[in-house]
Amino acid sequence: QVQLQQSGPGLVKPSQTLSLTCAISGDSVSRNDTAWNWFRESPSRGLEWLGWTYSGSKYYNDHVRSVKSRITINPDTSKNQFSLQLNSVTPDDTAIYYCAAARGGTFASWGQGTLVTVSS
Amino acid sequence: EIVMTQSPATLSVSPGERATLSCRASQSVSSKLAWYQHKPGQAPRLVIYGASTRATGIPARFSGSGSGTEFTLTISSLQSEDFAVYYCQQSNAWPWAFGQGTKVEIK
Repeated sequence: QVQLQQSGPGLVKPSQTLSLTCAISGDSVSRNDTAWNWFRESPSRGLEWLGWTYSGSKYYNDHVRSVKSRITINPDTSKNQFSLQLNSVTPDDTAIYYCAAARGGTFASWGQGTLVTVSS
Repeated sequence: EIVMTQSPATLSVSPGERATLSCRASQSVSSKLAWYQHKPGQAPRLVIYGASTRATGIPARFSGSGSGTEFTLTISSLQSEDFAVYYCQQSNAWPWAFGQGTKVEIK
């Protein structure tokens, strides 16, 4: 069973970079049949799928226009984890962020969630 | 791109009653359809995959049906812990897509 453990700051100042990490146990970030994903949840937008890293490639969800061109998802094979970076944050980026593993297109494993507040 | 449409947006149900949630795809997704339960402040939880297979640990009161473009999630007798938002998601064609969610609330 894959387990995902999130870490990162809960408070980020406006215009700075949000950085979160998702550590993987029970699987490998290098595995070529699993996509490693980030989501976020907010009262105004509900659950949004931000994108993934998968077998060396990356996908960012164009439908989440508010993060377009600001988001980076990277694997870290040395630490068996993956990360989310969101640049130039605003209060609108305040949300609970989740990492998730998808195999066969199904998101079966999720991290515990991290509340990130953007405020000065 | 495939668009997933869920109905109703909100479903008010009394504990012990049956809840029926619908999900429609803009084109066929075969049986590549999953349902997730999401409670505020908790990680989403996979409930059903392959349109009708319960995920590990999901009670038998949850059942999924359908194929092609029309899908249903049925909760046979709602328990207090079942009140949540439910999302459907297709993985038959790229990009994968989620519905907008159905909130199941206490009547």
